[in-house]
Amino acid sequence: LAKTTQPISMDSYEGQEVNITCSHNNIATNDYITWYQQFPSQGPRFIIQGYKTKVTNEVASLFIPADRKSSTLSLPRVSLSDTAVYYCLVGGRYNNNDMRFGAGTRLTVKP
Amino acid sequence: AAGVIQSPRHLIKEKRETATLKCYPIPRHDTVYWYQQGPGQDPQFLISFYEKMQSDKGSIPDRFSAQQFSDYHSELNMSSLELGDSALYFCASSPPGLASTDTQYFGPGTRLTVL
Repeated sequence: LAKTTQPISMDSYEGQEVNITCSHNNIATNDYITWYQQFPSQGPRFIIQGYKTKVTNEVASLFIPADRKSSTLSLPRVSLSDTAVYYCLVGGRYNNNDMRFGAGTRLTVKP
Repeated sequence: AAGVIQSPRHLIKEKRETATLKCYPIPRHDTVYWYQQGPGQDPQFLISFYEKMQSDKGSIPDRFSAQQFSDYHSELNMSSLELGDSALYFCASSPPGLASTDTQYFGPGTRLTVL
C-alpha cells in the first residue's frame, strides 16, 4: 500500500490560496490520488481526484508532477468554513489496494 | 441526491455487550467500506465488500465481523465490546464502473459509546 506523508497542520487567513502537499513515493502505476475533507464528527467528503498533471473542479485544483511521487491540493481564496482536516489517499479499487487514510493535515483559516 | 445511510446514529453499550451497526449505500453502489475513528484520530480502515464478497481487510479486530447482503446493505457486528471500541464508525460506498478509481461517499457515522 502506498504510504502518504502530509504536514500535520497549516494556518492561513481568509482570502489566501492554500497549497497542501502530499508525498507518496511508492505510488503504483495504476494508483489514483484522492483528497478528502473532514469536519469534526462528520464523514470525510470527496474533494478531488487525479492521476497525472492537473485537475480542477469547482472547489480545488490538484497538481501532480510527472513522477507522481507527490501531489498538491490547492484551495483558492479560503474562507473560515474551509477549516478542516484534509487527507490525501493513494490507491485503486481494482488493484486490490483499497486506499487508507494516513495522518491528515489540519488546516486552520483565521479571519 | 440520496446519501449513505447509517443506523443507529448513536449507540450506548456496556462492556462485553454486542452491537450491530447498519449501513445502506447509495443506490446502485456496489462497494461498501467500514472505518473506525477514535477521538482525535484519523479514520482507520476496517473492512470492505465488493458485490457481497469481502474485498479487503484492514485493522478489524477478531471480535468484529461484517457482511454485505443481497440488497448491498452492510452490517458490522461487534462483540465483547471494550472501552476502547468507543469511536465514530463510518460507512462509505463507491459506485461501479470506474475501473481504477475509488471515490468513496461517506455516511454521517454511528457514534458508539462503551461504558
